[in-house]
Amino acid sequence: GAVVSQHPSWVICKSGTSVKIECRSLDFQATTMFWYRQFPKQSLMLMATSNEGSKATYEQGVEKDKFLINHASLTLSTLTVTSAHPEDSSFYICSATPWSSYNEQFFGPGTRLTVL
Amino acid sequence: GENVEQHPSTLSVQEGDSAVIKCTYSDSASNYFPWYKQELGKGPQLIIDIRSNVGEKKDQRIAVTLNKTAKHFSLHITETQPEDSAVYFCAATPDRGSTLGRLYFGRGTQLTVWP
Repeated sequence: GAVVSQHPSWVICKSGTSVKIECRSLDFQATTMFWYRQFPKQSLMLMATSNEGSKATYEQGVEKDKFLINHASLTLSTLTVTSAHPEDSSFYICSATPWSSYNEQFFGPGTRLTVL
Repeated sequence: GENVEQHPSTLSVQEGDSAVIKCTYSDSASNYFPWYKQELGKGPQLIIDIRSNVGEKKDQRIAVTLNKTAKHFSLHITETQPEDSAVYFCAATPDRGSTLGRLYFGRGTQLTVWP
């Protein structure tokens, strides 16, 4: 149980294009989903927290117009990187907290984004 | 906000030996402490967690201890195997306020188990 999937697992795009990453909780409903960014050999950096049906809460320094988050259902959240640039290249990971859980987070496998 | 320190940053052990990773936290309101294992190119996997009403928890070769007074918690892996090699992250989360449910991570420990 508590499986989280991400799609795609990797993506290469040209500078200036937009990329959408999907995060799904496969066997549970998620009250909250989180989006992280991770640079090589570093810890996870929280970008935003999203609750189903409401606007995401972004961490300080994260541009909400650049990283659009939509949490349309209890099992799906999407992160869209708009007008991507090479500096947006990174490993993006989502996590989800089950409805039945207090604060456990289960992570997806991550999406490797490379912007040329 | 919460600040989690993790040591050591790298740890090398011989197969069969034990490995210990230590973390400290700053916010006394934190009450949930998970440990994650992350293999290269993959997302973090929850391996064990502990809540503040418990001092120790064990799951086969893995154990976690918590000292709330000193605000530190540790991961213990016994009889290490090469497949235990990965980056391990500790985390803490408070039980109140605007940061409810948010995980604060340590910087990670690269564990290498030599055969």
